[in-house]
Amino acid sequence: EDQVTQSPEALRLQEGESSSLNCSYTVSGLRGLFWYRQDPGKGPEFLFTLYSAGEEKEKERLKATLTKKESFLHITAPKPEDSATYLCAVQVGDYKLSFGAGTTVTVRA
Amino acid sequence: NAGVMQNPRHLVRRRGQEARLRCSPMKGHSHVYWYRQLPEEGLKFMVYLQKENIIDESGMPKERFSAEFPKEGPSILRIQQVVRGDSAAYFCASSPNVYNEQFFGPGTRLTVL
Repeated sequence: EDQVTQSPEALRLQEGESSSLNCSYTVSGLRGLFWYRQDPGKGPEFLFTLYSAGEEKEKERLKATLTKKESFLHITAPKPEDSATYLCAVQVGDYKLSFGAGTTVTVRA
Repeated sequence: NAGVMQNPRHLVRRRGQEARLRCSPMKGHSHVYWYRQLPEEGLKFMVYLQKENIIDESGMPKERFSAEFPKEGPSILRIQQVVRGDSAAYFCASSPNVYNEQFFGPGTRLTVL
């Protein structure tokens, strides 16, 4: 069975304190790995798609990387508005997304 | 360009009643997916539909749950005879084809009393 594990469960950062979130996966036939951001009471907001090991994508203070077994989401010099739950999902086959439980990031000013 | 729309945003039902959740995909998107997020759990796939067709309902409970995506109008997730365990956030997502990213709506939060 496909497994997606995110760590840590929660991360408290000081504004400007860079850190990384981990998403490890055990799947057969990975088609893509997705990162989403979810704010309380809202739906997941798409951030990145990664398709192959070695691929990297960046958006503002966020950078996502992918290896054969895991993905990292790096947050550089975070701001309070980066506080959210970050979700990792793997796509196996054509369409089904399997989500991890998420990492809740809190950035203090 | 409006995003994925879901209504109602909040729905309260008593045990045994029916719940109808609606989802309008983004313009140009013909693929719709429903996910459920139980308290303290991750998002779980329920069903994948294209216009007038259910492609995969492997994640949907066999009893009481059904989904449709008619030729005209929104996709509907229907839960009959709701029980307290159905209380959750239900999210709809859409994509222009199966190989693209899925964009999520704001969700419907169902509370069963």
